[in-house]
Amino acid sequence: SAVISQKPSRDICQRGTSLTIQCQVDSQVTMMFWYRQQPGQSLTLIATANQGSEATYESGFVIDKFPISRPNLTFSTLTVSNMSPEDSSIYLCSVEAVGGAGTDTQYFGPGTRLTVL
Amino acid sequence: SQKIEQNSEALNIQEGKTATLTCNYTNYSPAYLQWYRQDPGRGPVFLLLIRENEKEKRKERLKVTFDTTLKQSLFHITASQPADSATYLCALEKVAGRRALTFGSGTRLQVQP
Repeated sequence: SAVISQKPSRDICQRGTSLTIQCQVDSQVTMMFWYRQQPGQSLTLIATANQGSEATYESGFVIDKFPISRPNLTFSTLTVSNMSPEDSSIYLCSVEAVGGAGTDTQYFGPGTRLTVL
Repeated sequence: SQKIEQNSEALNIQEGKTATLTCNYTNYSPAYLQWYRQDPGRGPVFLLLIRENEKEKRKERLKVTFDTTLKQSLFHITASQPADSATYLCALEKVAGRRALTFGSGTRLQVQP
């Protein structure tokens, strides 16, 4: 299994500002994923981040709003830019399980709870 | 892409009973289906995976079935305990052949002592 940590665990931000969320994994992984979970809702995939290539964004999410970095095989950041109250959510990173044999089983971080005022 | 339906109403059962949760999907049959557990304030934790050619999978008190004709999976917890209280999420491959997941909205299970 993989151990994933996220920073910060929570934050309260003013609208119009940006927040960068960090995700650290205790082992090298190829694929990392960023999700958003709005209150009472399920997880929505924002983007897939592979080391050495541009992140792949899902419909409804764009790089200008959610820039992602993946500088190495154990670390990624997600920035929420020009925030509005609608961005208030829990942001989670996850990694594909090693030896998943193409099954996409994932390990998740604890999440970052963001509140935008 | 896939659409997943899980009962949004909470399921309340007595300790010791079997809890049964339902996951229905609406598009193509996926190569596999997964169940996760999520506790408040935490990320989901993987529980079980069942492949399209498997009818049933077990792990301790957990059992998952997969009916590709009905496009449905059932998740059972036998001899339920208050510690089983959580939200249970069903997940499938988002798009056929692509390595990303789509999740259902989850069903909250409350086991009463």
